[in-house]
This record gives sequence, structure tokens and C-alpha cells, in this order.
Amino acid sequence: DTGVSQNPRHKITKRGQNVTFRCDPISEHNRLYWYRQTLGQGPEFLTYFQNEAQLEKSRLLSDRFSAERPKGSFSTLEIQRTEQGDSAMYLCASSLGSGSSYNEQFFGPGTRLTVL
Amino acid sequence: TQLLEQSPQFLSIQEGENLTVYCNSSSVFSSLQWYRQEPGEGPVLLVTVVTGGEVKKLKRLTFQFGDARKDSSLHITAAQTGDTGLYLCAGRIIQGAQKLVFGQGTRLTINP
Repeated sequence: DTGVSQNPRHKITKRGQNVTFRCDPISEHNRLYWYRQTLGQGPEFLTYFQNEAQLEKSRLLSDRFSAERPKGSFSTLEIQRTEQGDSAMYLCASSLGSGSSYNEQFFGPGTRLTVL
Repeated sequence: TQLLEQSPQFLSIQEGENLTVYCNSSSVFSSLQWYRQEPGEGPVLLVTVVTGGEVKKLKRLTFQFGDARKDSSLHITAAQTGDTGLYLCAGRIIQGAQKLVFGQGTRLTINP
């Protein structure tokens, strides 16, 4: 399988705990994105990396959220001191960066987070 | 305020019927993509349109990008139960921008 993979697929945690999600992009893709999707809504952009550099962060990404892509391959998204409002599907996507204006993004299956 | 408005939000029709889903904005998009999403899964890319007035066909699905690049439509001919899912439009507002802005989706149910 050469698509985007995410682990875990499901995570249930108690309020106040920290959680970390992992995303492995398509191997030749140098751009990696994180989105969050709540029930009944479309995905909302959180942040993106080109190689190991984090180039844009949404205002949705509070101080409790941190994302890394240390070697320009896989990425992790950590949420500290989780709140019930963090419950959502966290989606990772990757794209092949190029000079074109429409780098198509391919999504992973997502990590469903439930904060009790 | 949603930058991309999709309509209808919900659509339930019988197998064999035709349907059109709309994606509208007051902003101009450098490119626009349509995705389909199954419950519990990530969105799957269907098509990308970049030129005003562009029409792309994918079997029974026809995608159109408005002349002014502010709107798009998805038309399905002779819908099948396998077409059931959440259809999302997403676009880039600024040339070269990386993040996608998504609509809220159209949940389509095709009844046998």
C-alpha cells in the first residue's frame, strides 16, 4: 500500500491527557498537511510542512497543539491537555511539491479522537 | 462564514436518477478539487479543475468549473447505490497557496 497512512485509527482518551498521532505520507511527497474534521463539517486546515519545515499554521492550532516532521518524512501531531472540544477526525494529507499551482493532496484514513 | 458553500447539504434520491451538487463562493479560486468521503475514512480525490469553464468527465460524473472560477458543479448521471457518500469541494484561494479550503459537504444517499 503506497497511500498515506495514519496511526492510530482511533483514540479514546480522558480530558487532560496528552495524545500523539502519526502520519506517514506517500514516499515521494515532500509536502505534508494536517486537517481537522468535526461531525457534519468539511476538513479545516491546521498546518503544513515542506520537507521538515513547518511553513504555515492555522489560528485553530492553539498552544496545546504541536506538529513535527523531523526528517522530512513522517509527521506527528501532539495535543497536550486534551479537551472535549478536541474530539474530531484528524486527517493527514500529502502532495508532491512542484512549480504548479495545484498540488493535489491525497488524504490518509484519519485518526478519530474521542475525549471523554 | 463558509468560504465555500455547498448545496444541497443532504440529498436522497432513487437509483437511476440524475443529480447535481453545487459549490459556490464569492472568492476566486486558483484551482478546485472534488473529493468523496466514506464514513470513518479520509477524503478520496475525484478531480481537479483549474481553468474557468473547464469540464471534466469521470465515467458518470461530470465536473464543471465556472467561467469566473468562483463556483463548480458535480453532475451524476444514472446514480448508483455505490455513489452514496459525502461529496466535498475544496479550493485554493490564492495562487500558490498550499492549504485547501473545504465546503461543508453534500451527503448523498442513493436508494435502491
